[in-house]
Amino acid sequence: GENVEQHPSTLSVQEGDSAVIKCTYSDSASNYFPWYKQELGKRPQLIIDIRSNVGEKKDQRIAVTLNKTAKHFSLHITETQPEDSAVYFCAVRPPPGSARQLTFGSGTQLTVLP
Amino acid sequence: SAVISQKPSRDICQRGTSLTIQCQVDSQVTMMFWYRQQPGQSLTLIATANQGSEATYESGFVIDKFPISRPNLTFSTLTVSNMSPEDSSIYLCSVEGRASGTLYNEQFFGPGTRLTVL
Repeated sequence: GENVEQHPSTLSVQEGDSAVIKCTYSDSASNYFPWYKQELGKRPQLIIDIRSNVGEKKDQRIAVTLNKTAKHFSLHITETQPEDSAVYFCAVRPPPGSARQLTFGSGTQLTVLP
Repeated sequence: SAVISQKPSRDICQRGTSLTIQCQVDSQVTMMFWYRQQPGQSLTLIATANQGSEATYESGFVIDKFPISRPNLTFSTLTVSNMSPEDSSIYLCSVEGRASGTLYNEQFFGPGTRLTVL
């Protein structure tokens, strides 16, 4: 099955700096890569996703890049704010025709220091 | 996006008892999933709830311990049977649906059920 590794496990940045979280995956046929943000005591919320037919996607201060050859994708948060503090999970979904479920990374605890 | 509700939101149960968690979606969805999230951990898929047939369980999870029902396209239940303290966790219902303005399906989560087993 799919194997997803996420790094780092914890990340502290100063407010206004950028944060980058990286995930690698094992199945080269996987084609959908979402990122979820989970605040303490809350449900995971989808914040951005990318499909295998594009290399980069941006939504205001967050962006995701995908390198299919290297089988890794990254979340970039610019101009970080204290409300960005949360646990971030990457996930990978295999292509149609196989199991539909997401495989999640181990999570990154992001702390934005004021 | 689909609006997902779960009941109960939390419960404290005694060892050896069972708890049934309900998941209700405000629209028909094809795919429904049940996840477990242990404290400080990632999300682990328990099973895919199939409408009209038996659920598909992931490695390490069995029907006798986690029976699942899916009577229609908007509702599912997960039962945690013969509970032990190791079952203390958050259990999350998840559905695959189409967000407004997009052409693709995305996966959304319910608010979760926080279970503590004494």
